[in-house]
Amino acid sequence: NAGVMQNPRHLVRRRGQEARLRCSPMKGHSHVYWYRQLPEEGLKFMVYLQKENIIDESGMPKERFSAEFPKEGPSILRIQQVVRGDSAAYFCASSTIAGSYNSPLHFGNGTRLTVT
Amino acid sequence: ELKVEQNPLFLSMQEGKNYTIYCNYSTTSDRLYWYRQDPGKSLESLFVLLSNGAVKQEGRLMASLDTKARLSTLHITAAVHDLSATYFCAVDNPQRQGAQKLVFGQGTRLTINP
Repeated sequence: NAGVMQNPRHLVRRRGQEARLRCSPMKGHSHVYWYRQLPEEGLKFMVYLQKENIIDESGMPKERFSAEFPKEGPSILRIQQVVRGDSAAYFCASSTIAGSYNSPLHFGNGTRLTVT
Repeated sequence: ELKVEQNPLFLSMQEGKNYTIYCNYSTTSDRLYWYRQDPGKSLESLFVLLSNGAVKQEGRLMASLDTKARLSTLHITAAVHDLSATYFCAVDNPQRQGAQKLVFGQGTRLTINP
């Protein structure tokens, strides 16, 4: 049973370009979370999605960032016109039903975005 | 706003010694998680603590939760080099029912020297 799959593992973009990060949740999981980790810091919540719905995007910057989780295919985190401050590791996590009491989130290996 | 603070942030210890990492959080929550992260890798779930007084042990690691004090501890017994990693605690945001919107501590970077 494959875990949470993220790609690419590493992504280099020049300032002003677009970055697309993909996440396929664990089999049977329909809830996806995106977190961002800046160097030497803990993870910070960005957005929580279910299939075709954004449930909570309170952690997303208001501009340039968007996320989707279509009916078919992976969840996508999209960053337009990247700036150096966007350089970070972006982690996706998935779970079965929302707030599954005993079950921790399962995290992918992350995408490390570097903006030059 | 929920805040989670860990201490120490850096910990260097010798093999065979015992030590404790502390995790304080600012508002009521009844779900606390400990994760381990190796450099450049993802987060591995260690413990889920769900109730006051909960204690869980796995190998040389033991975690406990005191919801009244809003404090969790991760105790390392007779440390070995393989335990070198960064350890995060995370607390579920109580305002968001039904979703695991976690607030993470800053992490404790643990280095165990031979």
